[in-house]
Amino acid sequence: DVKVTQSSRYLVKRTGEKVFLECVQDMDHENMFWYRQDPGLGLRLIYFSYDVKMKEKGDIPEGYSVSREKKERFSLILESASTNQTSMYLCASSLSPGAGYEQYFGPGTRLTVT
Amino acid sequence: AQTVTQSQPEMSVQEAETVTLSCTYDTSESDYYLFWYKQPPSRQMILVIRQEAYKQQNATENRFSVNFQKAAKSFSLKISDSQLGDAAMYFCAQNTGFQKLVFGTGTRLLVSP
Repeated sequence: DVKVTQSSRYLVKRTGEKVFLECVQDMDHENMFWYRQDPGLGLRLIYFSYDVKMKEKGDIPEGYSVSREKKERFSLILESASTNQTSMYLCASSLSPGAGYEQYFGPGTRLTVT
Repeated sequence: AQTVTQSQPEMSVQEAETVTLSCTYDTSESDYYLFWYKQPPSRQMILVIRQEAYKQQNATENRFSVNFQKAAKSFSLKISDSQLGDAAMYFCAQNTGFQKLVFGTGTRLLVSP
């Protein structure tokens, strides 16, 4: 079974702090994704990566950056956390085309910025 | 831009009954995939069912089936013999370029005994 893990289930940070959210997958997937989930808005793509050191902006990249130094690990960085970044963050991974584009999700990190 | 619309924020069903969740999408692509994902209260999102647009036959997975109407750009999920464990948020999604998915806003399904 594919397993996607996230470093924390719950996180509380103060405004202005630098925040790191870590995601690790164990199935050698090329693609990795970071989403933000808010009630009534569904899942919105922040950034994705299709290879090591490669990244592409999603729909809402402002205030975020990412890092992918190893194939299995994809980090989301909030350079200076703000209260409007309080949300649920979901990481996902997938194989390249040919596998139906199915994405496998981690359990999520509930981030609260005070 | 591709969009996915789920017009039912919440649906209710009784155990053993059937419920249908609606989804419409907008794309100019001719070949694509559509998905239904389930997110139980524990928050781990899992794939329920997948449909390839070039396949005429509707996908089925046990009690879950879809009604895929390509011309109408409609992709509804039918859950038969509903169980308490079916209670969750359900998201409809469509793939876009670079293996990305576009998600709808979700439908919360409540299941009562």
